[in-house]
Amino acid sequence: QQQVKQSPQSLIVQKGGISIINCAYENTAFDYFPWYQQFPGKGPALLIAIRPDVSEKKEGRFTISFNKSAKQFSLHIMDSQPGDSATYFCAARMNSGGYQKVTFGTGTKLQVIP
Amino acid sequence: KAGVTQTPRYLIKTRGQQVTLSCSPISGHRSVSWYQQTPGQGLQFLFEYFSETQRNKGNFPGRFSGRQFSNSRSEMNVSTLELGDSALYLCASSLEGQALGLNEKLFFGSGTQLSVL
Repeated sequence: QQQVKQSPQSLIVQKGGISIINCAYENTAFDYFPWYQQFPGKGPALLIAIRPDVSEKKEGRFTISFNKSAKQFSLHIMDSQPGDSATYFCAARMNSGGYQKVTFGTGTKLQVIP
Repeated sequence: KAGVTQTPRYLIKTRGQQVTLSCSPISGHRSVSWYQQTPGQGLQFLFEYFSETQRNKGNFPGRFSGRQFSNSRSEMNVSTLELGDSALYLCASSLEGQALGLNEKLFFGSGTQLSVL
């Protein structure tokens, strides 16, 4: 059962534009929502994360918007740059017997064109 | 501080064979998780080890197994390989893997790309 749904599967944005990636979850036991960025040939790296008691978190050009009632969260990349071209994964973490269990979305391949 | 190291980087096997992948976590990290990454499926959780014990397990068949050594290094084994096992296998480490830990971030290695022919 897929517990975190991510869209779109791929995204092409012009340099300077806004990239938006959306995720939805079902299980209300999730208590931490990180986003990971993965470049070709590398493993995913933590980009930014949010807890459900906050509606928005901003770090530089990256912003997470969180809607607890709708069980949705999204990543916004402002002023998108070619160097942002990568695959982005949303994730949701829950307590599994006292330890963390992380569920990932299926990923969004972002291409920022000059 | 060295990151998570996975070996080998690439591996080509044939159906029916078995394979062992290795992961060395960041120094001081005691929790090691394994994920399978395939196009369209994202990252699928395989299992997590802490202090040489498997704590969590995903929905993969018994052909997928792992272990962790006293130095926190971990190995993953896949027996009787199938074509569908072709994927990027990622290892991630964290300090303790505690659910409520504010600093419980996952750090991934670059993965082992397994191709089954």
